[in-house]
Amino acid sequence: GQQVMQIPQYQHVQEGEDFTTYCNSSTTLSNIQWYKQRPGGHPVFLIQLVKSGEVKKQKRLTFQFGEAKKNSSLHITATQTTDVGTYFCAPGAGNNRKLIWGLGTSLAVNP
Amino acid sequence: EAEVAQSPRYKITEKSQAVAFWCDPISGHATLYWYRQILGQGPELLVQFQDESVVDDSQLPKDRFSAERLKGVDSTLKIQPAELGDSAMYLCASSLTGLLNGYTFGSGTRLTVV
Repeated sequence: GQQVMQIPQYQHVQEGEDFTTYCNSSTTLSNIQWYKQRPGGHPVFLIQLVKSGEVKKQKRLTFQFGEAKKNSSLHITATQTTDVGTYFCAPGAGNNRKLIWGLGTSLAVNP
Repeated sequence: EAEVAQSPRYKITEKSQAVAFWCDPISGHATLYWYRQILGQGPELLVQFQDESVVDDSQLPKDRFSAERLKGVDSTLKIQPAELGDSAMYLCASSLTGLLNGYTFGSGTRLTVV
């Protein structure tokens, strides 16, 4: 079945440093969603990417969808302690009827 | 902002007992999902409803798990009998019909089986 690889699995940064997580698939994706889950919390929808080469920004967060629609990335500029959590990419699958979830990238930020 | 309601928030049960979780999705969201999440892993889909119909329960352990959404609104997930390995967070999510919509998750039920 369709699988997604997200790297790195863990990342530890100093507050103010940048952070990037990558999501890679062996198959072409029709769309991909990104979620953030704070420790002890539940996943929260951040954004959806649909178009090849699409770039979307939310304040310090920049989301990209690769030209071949096989990979995606989330970049956080100047991390803050409020960015701590696990970031999941979740591509659509099954004729777009469900999402595929990987292990996510856990981000820790040292103040 | 509209929320997905789940109860209970925490549940401790003995193995072999029955346990049930309840979810009330956002009004107007026809699609409802039950997920199980083990610490350090991503959510695992157990069952997906479209209105009152099950559209995917391929990962639901049907010998002990059951789910219903009788009137196409709120939903119940049941485990009987509970096993130690069922200890996890059970998350409910809802979305507008069609995948091109983000999911809204509830706060989840943390189940501990002792």
